[in-house]
Amino acid sequence: SQQGEEDPQALSIQEGENATMNCSYKTSINNLQWYRQNSGRGLVHLILIRSNEREKHSGRLRVTLDTSKKSSSLLITASRAADTASYFCATDWEIQGAQKLVFGQGTRLTINP
Amino acid sequence: DTGVSQNPRHKITKRGQNVTFRCDPISEHNRLYWYRQTLGQGPEFLTYFQNEAQLEKSRLLSDRFSAERPKGSFSTLEIQRTEQGDSAMYLCASSQPLGDEQFFGPGTRLTVL
Repeated sequence: SQQGEEDPQALSIQEGENATMNCSYKTSINNLQWYRQNSGRGLVHLILIRSNEREKHSGRLRVTLDTSKKSSSLLITASRAADTASYFCATDWEIQGAQKLVFGQGTRLTINP
Repeated sequence: DTGVSQNPRHKITKRGQNVTFRCDPISEHNRLYWYRQTLGQGPEFLTYFQNEAQLEKSRLLSDRFSAERPKGSFSTLEIQRTEQGDSAMYLCASSQPLGDEQFFGPGTRLTVL
């Protein structure tokens, strides 16, 4: 079963608007990661936020983490058509010294030109 | 290209046939992961290698599935007696010895007829 749940499942906005996606998880974590997946392709790592961090920025991306609420959000500012993709949050689950990623179902983002 | 590569990219097979996929991780990464992703879902962990040792296997990995990483470099995932329920995208990822970020390959899409 998947630990994370993204909300909304689908989001459609106009180019230039901001897009916000939320992720909730169930157990304690070391870090939380966001990935992007274009249709039918592999995942691209966007950003990692550690459990002791509250906010992180990377270009047009802003990620927040609230460990008390077990939730995270991904904000994409000034969206572009190329941002159209599915976005997944992934929490870590330590296995034999490494991290198994547990993904949510994803948010399907569509940017309309 | 120094990213994770997977072959083949697409595989169509008939039910009952055996299939084998290959993953070549980033060269300095000693950790290798296999995930499976069905349509509309996030990836689910299958198995993990550290160097040549397979250290973790998911319950999703039935006895028809076997994975190897004989020399600690590339890995193969074999599915015997394929079933229609095996149809999915099979993703491989690798990470550095002390890294949390996993780098994903483009995936192998399996269709079982």
